[in-house]
Amino acid sequence: DAKTTQPTSMDCAEGRAANLPCNHSTISGNEYVYWYRQIHSQGPQYIIHGLKNNETNEMASLIITEDRKSSTLILPHATLRDTAVYYCIVRPNTGNQFYFGTGTSLTVIP
Amino acid sequence: GAVVSQHPSWVICKSGTSVKIECRSLDFQATTMFWYRQFPKQSLMLMATSNEGSKATYEQGVEKDKFLINHASLTLSTLTVTSAHPEDSSFYICSAILILAGLNNEQFFGPGTRLTVL
Repeated sequence: DAKTTQPTSMDCAEGRAANLPCNHSTISGNEYVYWYRQIHSQGPQYIIHGLKNNETNEMASLIITEDRKSSTLILPHATLRDTAVYYCIVRPNTGNQFYFGTGTSLTVIP
Repeated sequence: GAVVSQHPSWVICKSGTSVKIECRSLDFQATTMFWYRQFPKQSLMLMATSNEGSKATYEQGVEKDKFLINHASLTLSTLTVTSAHPEDSSFYICSAILILAGLNNEQFFGPGTRLTVL
């Protein structure tokens, strides 16, 4: 079962930062947080992942709270092509399975 | 990045027939592949975990005799939907990982296969 909760939908103005929150209050010590996104009728695309420290790559930044019970994905300058469903996933310790939650449908508005 | 392909990208079949979907890792050897199903406006649901050379592990509620999974090589897993019915119409997505000791293993997803059963 998914161990994450996310808002159902969010809007963001083009060019502004999009901040997508995720709660994972039952996360265990060495479970990773992954973020993927899915554009309509395509397979999910990897964005970023982290354990404890904040992470940044060419696509986004991941901010994980000190207690690890929540995280925020930041798209620094949202474009129309960032419109997608964003999934926050906690990978369990016991395997590599991903259990997807409902995700956040992000709409970037011109 | 690693590429995973699926074939076909879409298929339409008659009720009662069987459909095979292929999932290939194109530039790496995948020790483990996963199969997901996604209904319209819903999230991805994990169906099964497929390990090369061994039987697949199915999630609770997924019928193993209906959804046959074969992972005969490190680059190919197949999902066969047997005796398909309209309620099996869905978007089927596979993913693959290469398990390396000490590394955190990212899943690479295929583009999905749209199955429509008439």
